Amino acid sequence: NAGVTQTPKFQVLKTGQSMTLQCAQDMNHEYMSWYRQDPGMGLRLIHYSVGAGITDQGEVPNGYNVSRSTTEDFPLRLLSAAPSQTSVYFCASSTHRGTSGGLPSYNEQFFGPGTRLTVL
Amino acid sequence: AQTVTQSQPEMSVQDAETVTLSCTYDTSENNYYLFWYKQPPSRQMILVIRQEAYKQQNATENRFSVNFQKAAKSFSLKISDSQLGDTAMYFCAFMKGNGGATNKLIFGTGTLLAVQP
Repeated sequence: NAGVTQTPKFQVLKTGQSMTLQCAQDMNHEYMSWYRQDPGMGLRLIHYSVGAGITDQGEVPNGYNVSRSTTEDFPLRLLSAAPSQTSVYFCASSTHRGTSGGLPSYNEQFFGPGTRLTVL
Repeated sequence: AQTVTQSQPEMSVQDAETVTLSCTYDTSENNYYLFWYKQPPSRQMILVIRQEAYKQQNATENRFSVNFQKAAKSFSLKISDSQLGDTAMYFCAFMKGNGGATNKLIFGTGTLLAVQP
């Protein structure tokens, strides 16, 4: 298994340009998500998906679009890049949550290697 | 809303010594999970250890252990016999344990640990 893959690893954009960050996983995970990491702020959730055709907003969704047409892929689109979107972006995936013995079960999230995006 | 606070932006420890990283959190949930993630210079996010809130016993993984104080909402990470490879950013994270569909992680701001030779 390749796990969670992200492309590209690095990208430089000019303000106003658009691009798509790719994320793919080969573990048949239902849950996928995008985080951004900024200095002094940790990782913050942008968007997430609990299955193909289902997406929802996280903590910082403005300026980003997502779609989930297949279980494997969860691309993140920047329609008009802004300098404030300069960050490191991580994709993560896991199996669906549930319960075990009446207690909530835990399914480990697997992170991709990240994409460093610079918007000039 | 849940929050996670790491009050130590940077820490340093000598090789083979023990270091403790602090984390506090705020939640009204009774069921939840707490995690420590390691991010070395390679940028990869690596799960170090997790703690289920319903378990009283502190989690341990080899040289890594936690001190989970549920009433105080405190979750510290102890690294014993520190090694140069432990040099990394460490993030504390929270996840609700409501058994729902989402696996949202809420992260602290991180502690940069440097292990000195």
